[in-house]
Amino acid sequence: KQEVTQIPAALSVPEGENLVLNCSFTDSAIYNLQWFRQDPGKGLTSLLLIQSSQREQTSGRLNASLDKSSGRSTLYIAASQPGDSATYLCQGAQKLVFGQGTRLTINP
Amino acid sequence: DADVTQTPRNRITKTGKRIMLECSQTKGHDRMYWYRQDPGLGLRLIYYSFDVKDINKGEISDGYSVSRQAQAKFSLSLESAIPNQTALYFCATSDPAPGLAADTQYFGPGTRLTVL
Repeated sequence: KQEVTQIPAALSVPEGENLVLNCSFTDSAIYNLQWFRQDPGKGLTSLLLIQSSQREQTSGRLNASLDKSSGRSTLYIAASQPGDSATYLCQGAQKLVFGQGTRLTINP
Repeated sequence: DADVTQTPRNRITKTGKRIMLECSQTKGHDRMYWYRQDPGLGLRLIYYSFDVKDINKGEISDGYSVSRQAQAKFSLSLESAIPNQTALYFCATSDPAPGLAADTQYFGPGTRLTVL
């Protein structure tokens, strides 16, 4: 069974800092990995999807990397803003398994 | 208008009642999914469908059934609701067409279900 782990469960940083969110998965056969954000009481919004043949994807201030050999993906957020406050979830698409999420708070 | 809609958005029901949650999409995607979200347990897959004639069980399908009425519609039923089915339910869609965004999942706004 594929397992996906996100550490830390919660993170609080001052506005303007660069930060990294981590996602680990147990099945190296993962064929792509997706990052989402979820605002309280809302649905999930797709941020980035990394195909298994890729090593990273970028969108604006976000950069996601995928290292299948180590079973890790990271989401890098540059110049964080209060509007980035949300829960960030990663999903291994092979078995459609989600991590528990990292609740991010950006303090003005 | 939203691409993925779910009805109802909120529902309170009693133990033993039959409940249907509906999902509709205008994205033209073949693949549709049902998840539930519980505090501390995260999102878990209930059922998924890769086309109108395809239905697959997910991690936690017991106590649930689904119907794929058309490409755009995918319904989730609780035949006899029980309190531990109280959760936030999400529908999602994706398109496996080749490309960098292949199989990106798009989620509906969710249905908050409470079983008393």
